Amino acid sequence: NAGVTQTPKFQVLKTGQSMTLQCAQDMNHNSMYWYRQDPGMGLRLIYYSASEGTTDKGEVPNGYNVSRLNKREFSLRLESAAPSQTSVYFCASAWTGASGNTIYFGEGSWLTVV
Amino acid sequence: EDKVVQSPLSLVVHEGDTVTLNCSYEVTNFQSLLWYKQEKKAPTFLFMLTSSGIEKKSGRLSSILDKKELFSILNITATQTGDSAVYLCAFNAGGTSYGKLTFGQGTILTVHP
Repeated sequence: NAGVTQTPKFQVLKTGQSMTLQCAQDMNHNSMYWYRQDPGMGLRLIYYSASEGTTDKGEVPNGYNVSRLNKREFSLRLESAAPSQTSVYFCASAWTGASGNTIYFGEGSWLTVV
Repeated sequence: EDKVVQSPLSLVVHEGDTVTLNCSYEVTNFQSLLWYKQEKKAPTFLFMLTSSGIEKKSGRLSSILDKKELFSILNITATQTGDSAVYLCAFNAGGTSYGKLTFGQGTILTVHP
């Protein structure tokens, strides 16, 4: 059981380049998330998708777009990368029920924008 | 705006000490509060709390939620060097923010031998 798989694990981009981070989960979860983590900032929510076909902005959505391609996959796109987007990105998924959810994380993607 | 605040931001102790980590929150539609431990990579789940006053326990770790005062604590007794990590709390929102999970900034715990 792979859980949450995200690719690539490491990427270096030049300012202005675009890229897509891919994420897939095999746990039949309805909710999926993209977070970024910077030193001293904890995990900040970029976008989330509570169910297939829906996406919502989190705390820091500017500069990003997302696509919930199907129930399994949730991609994050940087259209024009900026040095401020240098961060570790985590994809996550959860089965969201009446009392909340327990979220499972991917291993992280280290992105450097130069 | 919903928010989660953790304290202290960092803590240094010696093996055997007991620590208490704090998490306070302000949310519009609270569903549950979660605690995670993060070492080198992805956070790993510790506890989910939905009801006030009921302690969740796992080995040397325990946690409790106070929904009236809007906070939770995570206790670690007889700390070991392997407890060194970042501890994160998060809350699940309901209502129009159903499914949204917001994290605090984390507490960095360092346990010295």
